Amino acid sequence: SQTIHQWPATLVQPVGSPLSLECTVEGTSNPNLYWYRQAAGRGLQLLFYSVGIGQISSEVPQNLSASRPQDRQFILSSKKLLLSDSGFYLCASTTSSRYEQYFGPGTRLTVT
Amino acid sequence: QQQVKQSPQSLIVQKGGISIINCAYENTAFDYFPWYQQFPGKGPALLIAIRPDVSEKKEGRFTISFNKSAKQFSLHIMDSQPGDSATYFCAASIGDSWGKLQFGAGTQVVVTP
Repeated sequence: SQTIHQWPATLVQPVGSPLSLECTVEGTSNPNLYWYRQAAGRGLQLLFYSVGIGQISSEVPQNLSASRPQDRQFILSSKKLLLSDSGFYLCASTTSSRYEQYFGPGTRLTVT
Repeated sequence: QQQVKQSPQSLIVQKGGISIINCAYENTAFDYFPWYQQFPGKGPALLIAIRPDVSEKKEGRFTISFNKSAKQFSLHIMDSQPGDSATYFCAASIGDSWGKLQFGAGTQVVVTP
């Protein structure tokens, strides 16, 4: 079974500062990878997905970007954070079947 | 535009009772319907999933019922326990859409002792 790691677990950043969140996956190869954001008490919003190294698709135009430098590494970045970027960021990965999607533990980001 | 509509928003059930959460969809191309369970501060955990070629799937106390003609599916939690208190999300995806899940808004379930 696969394991998804995310770090940091929590982060408090001032407005205008840069952001880098990392996700790594163990126990599978060539997964589809996803970044979601969840606002407090809300559902999950798909931000980016990747089907391979260097292949990134954006679902929602915004202040964030994503990169996939290695097969099992997915990074979420921002050059200048906004207050509205606060939320719970979740990385997810598929199994080889491409259907079952598993989530990491998440990163709680607070922009002050 | 939310492609998967989930109800109710919240649910209170007594220990031992049945929790029922409903979801409806419009896109007939959806071919995979998972349910996730999320505890506060944790990532969602895949609970159970169904494909449209079956009408029901059961895993332990959790059952998915699927009605293809009505474009609806539901999660039944039998013999609900306080440890089942969590937020539940339904979702749907299309096999050739890179596994992108469309999520419902979530249902907060509280099981009282």
